[in-house]
Amino acid sequence: EAGVTQFPSHSVIEKGQTVTLRCDPISGHDNLYWYRRVMGKEIKFLLHFVKESKQDESGMPNNRFLAERTGGTYSTLKVQPAELEDSGVYFCASSQQGWMNTEAFFGQGTRLTVV
Amino acid sequence: GNSVTQMEGPVTLSEEAFLTINCTYTATGYPSLFWYVQYPGEGLQLLLKATKADDKGSNKGFEATYRKETTSFHLEKGSVQVSDSAVYFCALTSGAGKFYFGSGTKLNVKP
Repeated sequence: EAGVTQFPSHSVIEKGQTVTLRCDPISGHDNLYWYRRVMGKEIKFLLHFVKESKQDESGMPNNRFLAERTGGTYSTLKVQPAELEDSGVYFCASSQQGWMNTEAFFGQGTRLTVV
Repeated sequence: GNSVTQMEGPVTLSEEAFLTINCTYTATGYPSLFWYVQYPGEGLQLLLKATKADDKGSNKGFEATYRKETTSFHLEKGSVQVSDSAVYFCALTSGAGKFYFGSGTKLNVKP
């Protein structure tokens, strides 16, 4: 069974440009999460989808970030326009239906560098 | 609110040394506790977990015990190997799948 996959693995863009990150969760997982680790700090929650609906987007830093999950399958996270402080590693995770303390499976992350 | 604090790294050990990485937490409700590991060039992998007080999670020689009285979940291994070199993250979730992570501890094991 394929795990959570993320594209691209690395992205280097200039300040002001747009970048779109993609996450393919494990097939059949209704829950999809985005997290971010900035500069060796803790991994912070960004948002949570249940199927195609945003369950919790309290961690989204500002309106330059837009996440979508069309059809409840893969998800994209777009940053527009990118700023220097957006650099970091973006992780996607998925888990099965249900919400009580379920193990989440993580992708390898996308390392975003804004220069 | 929920938060996780873990010891800062890097931690450098010789092969076969004893490892402890401290982790303490604050949480509302009854959280589950996790250790995730990130090997170089790979994603986060679940190492072990414990879902209630006094539970001990174990895997690959690593152990951690859920201590509610001290709000701790310290990671231990009796004899580390070079292949254990990685970044270790302590985490908790108290429902809804939202994880709270510590800042990560990098472990370097030298032959």
